[in-house]
Amino acid sequence: GENVEQHPSTLSVQEGDSAVIKCTYSDSASNYFPWYKQELGKRPQLIIDIRSNVGEKKDQRIAVTLNKTAKHFSLHITETQPEDSAVYFCAGRGSTLGRLYFGRGTQLTVWP
Amino acid sequence: DAGVTQSPTHLIKTRGQQVTLRCSPISGHKSVSWYQQVLGQGPQFIFQYYEKEERGRGNFPDRFSARQFPNYSSELNVNALLLGDSALYLCASSKLLAGETSYNEQFFGPGTRLTVL
Repeated sequence: GENVEQHPSTLSVQEGDSAVIKCTYSDSASNYFPWYKQELGKRPQLIIDIRSNVGEKKDQRIAVTLNKTAKHFSLHITETQPEDSAVYFCAGRGSTLGRLYFGRGTQLTVWP
Repeated sequence: DAGVTQSPTHLIKTRGQQVTLRCSPISGHKSVSWYQQVLGQGPQFIFQYYEKEERGRGNFPDRFSARQFPNYSSELNVNALLLGDSALYLCASSKLLAGETSYNEQFFGPGTRLTVL
């Protein structure tokens, strides 16, 4: 099955700086890559996703890029704010039905 | 529209007991997936159901079982609980099975926190 690796495991940035989280995947047939934000004690919330036929997608301060050849995708958060602090998970959907394969998560801390 | 709901919120059981967790998907969603999230890790896929049929199963022992009802709600059952079953159990709903559309967002419920003593 699919294997998703995520780095770094922790990331600390100053408010206003940018944050980048990177993921790699193993299944070349994967076609959908969502990112989830999970605040402490809460459910994972979908913040952005990208499909395999697109190289980049942006939504306000958040952007995701996909390199299918290298099998990696990244989350970019610009102008970070303290409320961006959370655990971020990348995921990939392999060739099998709708199951998602998650990375281990990145704890992002934005210092004011 | 209400989001995905799960019950109970928290549960404490002892080893060897059995537990049933419940999930109601977003109205109009026909597919329900269950994930286990151990502290400090990403969610791990357990089951997917669509139209009351199991359509996928992750690498979990037979102690784990699930079903989906005609109203698309779902139950996850775990028998003979072990300490290692302590985790947050997440339910996610989506409109259709991935085979019908490749871009099928999954929305998560708040989870059930299971503690096995």
